[in-house]
Amino acid sequence: AQSVTQLDSHVSVSEGTPVLLRCNYSSSYSPSLFWYVQHPNKGLQLLLKYTSAATLVKGINGFEAEFKKSETSFHLTKPSAHMSDAAEYFCAFTGGGNKLTFGTGTQLKVEL
Amino acid sequence: GAGVSQSPRYKVTKRGQDVALRCDPISGHVSLYWYRQALGQGPEFLTYFNYEAQQDKSGLPNDRFSAERPEGSISTLTIQRTEQRDSAMYRCASSPTLGQGEEKLFFGSGTQLSVL
Repeated sequence: AQSVTQLDSHVSVSEGTPVLLRCNYSSSYSPSLFWYVQHPNKGLQLLLKYTSAATLVKGINGFEAEFKKSETSFHLTKPSAHMSDAAEYFCAFTGGGNKLTFGTGTQLKVEL
Repeated sequence: GAGVSQSPRYKVTKRGQDVALRCDPISGHVSLYWYRQALGQGPEFLTYFNYEAQQDKSGLPNDRFSAERPEGSISTLTIQRTEQRDSAMYRCASSPTLGQGEEKLFFGSGTQLSVL
């Protein structure tokens, strides 16, 4: 079955340090992969997406993700965390259809 | 409109009552999606429309759940005879394209449903 797994339910970093949010996928063919962010009381917002073009994808707010087929991973990174990055992050994929399948989310906490 | 609008923002109802949740997509968006998000989980697909046609309703949990989009714009998700397990955040999203699996979805803030 196709799925995404977010390996960490909670991640805590200090402001100014790098962010790494992990996502692994399971699919019999190349999926389209997405990262969404959800701030409290807001809708989900697309950060970036991978659709079989460049394997390193740059998104908004300084985030980027690298598609690694050999590792079946699509981890989200940012060189330097900001307080405003504190939110919940969801990895998602579409495996050839029009439905997004989401992971269970990673809550990012940014401390001073 | 400026974004996807959902109403009501919060809905508290008693078990057994029917509820109707409304989604007003971004003007001109052709596709509309409904998702349900339980506490501590990611959103789960319920159903989606291209224009007024319901394309896929495989995510609807049972026949108490139904959705419509009669004029290809506003959509209503109806839950009949609500049960406590229906309590969740219901999210609507729209897209300017018909979707080939790569489109960007624009999400509303959701309706938090609580069934007592």
